Amino acid sequence: NAGVTQTPKFQVLKTGQSMTLQCAQDMNHEYMSWYRQDPGMGLRLIHYSVGAGITDQGEVPNGYNVSRSTTEDFPLRLLSAAPSQTSVYFCASSQAGGRDTQYFGPGTRLTVL
Amino acid sequence: GQQLNQSPQSMFIQEGEDVSMNCTSSSIFNTWLWYKQDPGEGPVLLIALYKAGELTSNGRLTAQFGITRKDSFLNISASIPSDVGIYFCAGLIPAGQPGANNLFFGTGTRLTVIP
Repeated sequence: NAGVTQTPKFQVLKTGQSMTLQCAQDMNHEYMSWYRQDPGMGLRLIHYSVGAGITDQGEVPNGYNVSRSTTEDFPLRLLSAAPSQTSVYFCASSQAGGRDTQYFGPGTRLTVL
Repeated sequence: GQQLNQSPQSMFIQEGEDVSMNCTSSSIFNTWLWYKQDPGEGPVLLIALYKAGELTSNGRLTAQFGITRKDSFLNISASIPSDVGIYFCAGLIPAGQPGANNLFFGTGTRLTVIP
């Protein structure tokens, strides 16, 4: 049982490049989410999903796309990276969201030049 | 978005001392959570609080859900070096309101324990 896994661990992009951050969980959780963590700002919710085929926007969704074709995977896409997207990105999952315990992945540190 | 103000921003304490930190919100929450983040890792849940006035302990950690439902407190007793990290509060908005079912995080308290 690996929990929540994220790849890559580190990534450097140039402005305008696109990429996908991968997130997978093996706990059969319905709820998955993406956060970004910036200095002095805590974690802010980007997008979330309450089950396969269902996604919704969080607090800071602009510049990011998500899809949820399977229960296990929840990739985050940056279509045209900008320096303002330099951050640490965390994926999390829980049984059903809400009061259920969220388990976080180890994070992806992204730098956009 | 929701504003959760966490204080202090950072603390430097001697090993063995007690620590207190708190979190306040402009909105009412129906759940308060406290997480710890070690360097290079994701946050890990320490304590969950589900009703106003609730006081819950987890080893040397004690947290309280404020009566107004707009604040929460975390205390760590007899600190040890492995307590080093960033502590985050997080809250859940009651169902039926914008943002319900999603967590809102505080800005974090960075704790340094001096041996």
